[in-house]
Amino acid sequence: QSALTQPASVSGSPGQSITISCTGTSSDVGSYNLVSWYQQHPGKAPKLMIYEVSKRPSGVSNRFSGSKSGNTASLTISGLQAEDEADYYCCSYAGSSWVFGGGTKLTVL
Amino acid sequence: EVQLVESGGGLVQPGGSLKLSCAASGFTFSGSAMHWVRQASGKGLEWVGRIRSKANSYATAYAASVKGRFTISRDDSKNTAYLQMNSLKTEDTAVYYCTRLGWAFDYWGQGTLVTVSS
Repeated sequence: QSALTQPASVSGSPGQSITISCTGTSSDVGSYNLVSWYQQHPGKAPKLMIYEVSKRPSGVSNRFSGSKSGNTASLTISGLQAEDEADYYCCSYAGSSWVFGGGTKLTVL
Repeated sequence: EVQLVESGGGLVQPGGSLKLSCAASGFTFSGSAMHWVRQASGKGLEWVGRIRSKANSYATAYAASVKGRFTISRDDSKNTAYLQMNSLKTEDTAVYYCTRLGWAFDYWGQGTLVTVSS
């Protein structure tokens, strides 16, 4: 199972919006609405930000939103804040296994 | 409060074995599928494998990179999941996280570092 494809880095200024893409195949992202997104700050464990493509866990800011079209999922962060600077990973169910994206480093300028 | 605490990491020689533990609290462990995810230094997350609940026959599944070498088990009486790692390779060096599969991987431990080196 190959890793999902994410851009290595994205950046934005405070207050702006950014979108991170996550491209898989018809065997994972395209077949299941079980795409999730994780935020990871340096030296910390990942934190769940979005599950089942577009649902937010309790406590996660509504500035974070998710969507999916075909084999590509996306995470959008609006109203960028300094604290959003982190690595972001997408993840998809792939039928008896799970696959992560390579990760995207978000820099808040 | 949900807690997952990994332990058992350390330095091991190539070809050696190590057993990691993941102690859980704050949720119904016996009803949850537990997964292991690893992260090499400066690299991304990699799914390692999972064990389902008793209701799902404790079914296990593994990533191709570890299949045949790693074994996941659990002891519901101790609220603990395990990752037995055999025939370790240098490329298995990573921080190993245990995580619960709820709606997604909703709770994570702090991770334990495994270093495979001679």
